[in-house]
Amino acid sequence: SQQGEEDPQALSIQEGENATMNCSYKTSINNLQWYRQNSGRGLVHLILIRSNEREKHSGRLRVTLDTSKKSSSLLITASRAADTASYFCATDAGDSWGKLQFGAGTQVVVTP
Amino acid sequence: SQTIHQWPATLVQPVGSPLSLECTVEGTSNPNLYWYRQAAGRGLQLLFYSVGIGQISSEVPQNLSASRPQDRQFILSSKKLLLSDSGFYLCARGASGANVLTFGAGSRLTVL
Repeated sequence: SQQGEEDPQALSIQEGENATMNCSYKTSINNLQWYRQNSGRGLVHLILIRSNEREKHSGRLRVTLDTSKKSSSLLITASRAADTASYFCATDAGDSWGKLQFGAGTQVVVTP
Repeated sequence: SQTIHQWPATLVQPVGSPLSLECTVEGTSNPNLYWYRQAAGRGLQLLFYSVGIGQISSEVPQNLSASRPQDRQFILSSKKLLLSDSGFYLCARGASGANVLTFGAGSRLTVL
């Protein structure tokens, strides 16, 4: 079953604009991660935010986490055409096997 | 290096034929290994995970099986493929600590 659900399913923006996508989940988590997938490729880890953190930055990425609402957001600032990809949130419930539950993803298209 | 090798990259198989997808990983020994499946335009579904040689856990009952004959080798198999087995299969390894996953480039299976 999928734990995280991303919103919107698809997003089309122009270069230079910001892209925001949201993730909601259902159960308690240890941490939440965001991954990126270029078309037809494997996923690449972007950023991890722990359950006791509220905001985290990495380059042009900003992630927030609201555990009371069971939601997270990923903001990509000053987007570039190279940011075109699908973005997935993944939740880690902290079990001993390291399993992650992924959402269905947000497909982002950045046009020059 | 935490490189993951998956092959074949692309496979077209008839219904009822067998399947073998192979994944080998580099890096630290005794990694947690995972098989995920991604249907077209969807998120990732965890199929199997392994915490050591010969130790396989299945997440979803299905037509597939997994084996781990060596520490850094993870194999996904089927005796008789179904149309519904079509998809993009991703092998991943977990990093110690925060359960961040490193993915291979994937194997795309089409069952006709």
